[in-house]
Amino acid sequence: DAEITQSPRHKITETGRQVTLACHQTWNHNNMFWYRQDLGHGLRLIHYSYGVHDTNKGEVSDGYSVSRSNTEDLPLTLESAASSQTSVYFCASSESQGPVDGYTFGSGTRLTVV
Amino acid sequence: GEDVEQSLFLSVREGDSSVINCTYTDSSSTYLYWYKQEPGAGLQLLTYIFSNMDMKQDQRLTVLLNKKDKHLSLRIADTQTGDSAIYFCAESKAAGNKLTFGGGTRVLVKP
Repeated sequence: DAEITQSPRHKITETGRQVTLACHQTWNHNNMFWYRQDLGHGLRLIHYSYGVHDTNKGEVSDGYSVSRSNTEDLPLTLESAASSQTSVYFCASSESQGPVDGYTFGSGTRLTVV
Repeated sequence: GEDVEQSLFLSVREGDSSVINCTYTDSSSTYLYWYKQEPGAGLQLLTYIFSNMDMKQDQRLTVLLNKKDKHLSLRIADTQTGDSAIYFCAESKAAGNKLTFGGGTRVLVKP
């Protein structure tokens, strides 16, 4: 069965370190998204991609980067982790002009920056 | 820009109806969604509505859309303790495009 997986599920890192969160989907979806979830703010879009080699900034992209070298993966990199980046991160995927209800979400990565 | 707003908290008695409200600012929002998140879990799509509709019913769920006022609501009939969760509304301009979420409404169902 097709799926979307995030790894790791939990991570603790130190301020200033570079961290990469993985997102891998086997739906063959063109579109992939990274969100962060914080209390009172809901899910805010960090970066997104509408296809291989395409990346776009979301509303909270500062301090984060992504690259899309293939259809399946959209890794999220925190260049120099800060305490303000402690959050739960969700990856999602969808098909361009696909079913309206065709979004799939990963189970989330809980990141703590100490 | 895009902005989606929700009230933070709703408390309801088991068996009563719950109504969760959402407002959005972008008139080009084409699809509007309701997601549910249980504690420690990911997001579950509950229902969605096209912007050219004003109502959609799906079992205990009723979605009302007032496009003129950019107001969306989700009514849950006969609320159960299993309905305790955070509910998010979200919008997109096109099917499959980026979703913009509201801040979420935490619903607490009391016995």
